[in-house]
Amino acid sequence: DTGVSQNPRHKITKRGQNVTFRCDPISEHNRLYWYRQTLGQGPEFLTYFQNEAQLEKSRLLSDRFSAERPKGSFSTLEIQRTEQGDSAMYLCASSLSGARVGEKLFFGSGTQLSVL
Amino acid sequence: DQQVKQNSPSLSVQEGRISILNCDYTNSMFDYFLWYKKYPAEGPTFLISISSIKDKNEDGRFTVFLNKSAKHLSLHIVPSQPGDSAVYFCAAYIDQGAQKLVFGQGTRLTINP
Repeated sequence: DTGVSQNPRHKITKRGQNVTFRCDPISEHNRLYWYRQTLGQGPEFLTYFQNEAQLEKSRLLSDRFSAERPKGSFSTLEIQRTEQGDSAMYLCASSLSGARVGEKLFFGSGTQLSVL
Repeated sequence: DQQVKQNSPSLSVQEGRISILNCDYTNSMFDYFLWYKKYPAEGPTFLISISSIKDKNEDGRFTVFLNKSAKHLSLHIVPSQPGDSAVYFCAAYIDQGAQKLVFGQGTRLTINP
C-alpha cells in the first residue's frame, strides 16, 4: 500500500498528557499538510510543509502544538498538555507541489484523539 | 468565520434518481473548487473540481456547476447508486502559496434502494 499512512489510528489520553502522531506521506510527495476535523465540521487547515520546511501555520495551532518533518519524509504532530477541546480527528495529506494541488491531495485515514 | 458553507447536513435520495448537493462560499479570492467524498474510517478522497473560469465540469455521473455571481456551487450525481452513500465535502482554495483547502461542514448522502 503506497498511500498516506497515519499512526496510531486511535489515541485516548488524559487531560494534561502529551501525545504525538506520525504521518508517512506518499514517498515522492514533497508537500505535507495537517488538518483537524471535529464532529459535524469539515477538516480545518493546521499547517503545511514543503520538504522539511514548515511554511505556514494556522492560528488554530496554539503554542502547545508542534509539527516537524525532519529530512522531508515522515512528519510528527505533538500536542503538549492536552485539553478536552483537542479531541478531534487529525488528518494528514500529501501532494506534489505545483498548480492545482487540491486535485492531487491524498489524505490518510486520520488519528482519532480523545482527551478524557 | 465560515468561508465555505454546506447548509444541508444530510440528504436522502432514491437509487437511480438525481442527487444535488449545494455549497456556498464568501471569499471571492477562491479560484478552485472541489468536492471530496468520505467513507467512514477513511480519509477524504478527491472527486471532481472546477476552476473559477468555468461554470460546469462533468466527469461521468458527476457534474459540478459554479455560479460565481451567487458564490454558489453544486454537485449533481446522476443516476445515484448505493455506493454513492458517503459524506461529501465542498472545498475551495487559492491556487498559489499554501494552496490550503477550506472545507464546508459536509453533507451526508444516503442512497436508498
